[in-house]
Amino acid sequence: DGGITQSPKYLFRKEGQNVTLSCEQNLNHDAMYWYRQDPGQGLRLIYYSQIVNDFQKGDIAEGYSVSREKKESFPLTVTSAQKNPTAFYLCASSDSGYSYEQYFGPGTRLTVT
Amino acid sequence: DAKTTQPPSMDCAEGRAANLPCNHSTISGNEYVYWYRQIHSQGPQYIIHGLKNNETNEMASLIITEDRKSSTLILPHATLRDTAVYYCIVRVSGTASKLTFGTGTRLQVTL
Repeated sequence: DGGITQSPKYLFRKEGQNVTLSCEQNLNHDAMYWYRQDPGQGLRLIYYSQIVNDFQKGDIAEGYSVSREKKESFPLTVTSAQKNPTAFYLCASSDSGYSYEQYFGPGTRLTVT
Repeated sequence: DAKTTQPPSMDCAEGRAANLPCNHSTISGNEYVYWYRQIHSQGPQYIIHGLKNNETNEMASLIITEDRKSSTLILPHATLRDTAVYYCIVRVSGTASKLTFGTGTRLQVTL
């Protein structure tokens, strides 16, 4: 089955700790994205990557970091510098074809206390 | 990317057509209209997209006005499983760039 996997589904951390969220895709897509969603709100872009070893900041990159060492993987680290890390995090990917529709993973709900 | 305006919520009876409107009066000539939906606590799901012609696929139909300033997503026979938040997004196709999600329309399908 082709798709995007995110793990874990729920994650709990203490304030001040860095935490890394996993995102893996087997769709052979070039581009991958990280979004954040707060309750009742739309999605906001954190980082995106169009190709391996390259990534760009989105609208709310402060307090986050990413890497893209492999085509299929795009992990997101939520650092202690992120002031309000509790949120629903969504990973997506898209191919290099004509329409560029994005395919989303199931999400990781991060709670920091 | 152009801004979109959607009603915050709509209701639809099961089995009836759900017509979800979207205004995008500042859309540019090279911007497409995309629709996604998000069922509670899941990742968004792509539904359909179009430039200026009406489009249909197995999930829905997309009707774009001739001046392209508004569009309507039609779910022909809504079911309870179509209850979700529906997002209308306009963006330039052919680029790996962000999707700008607003707050969308919350569609409630009822018996």
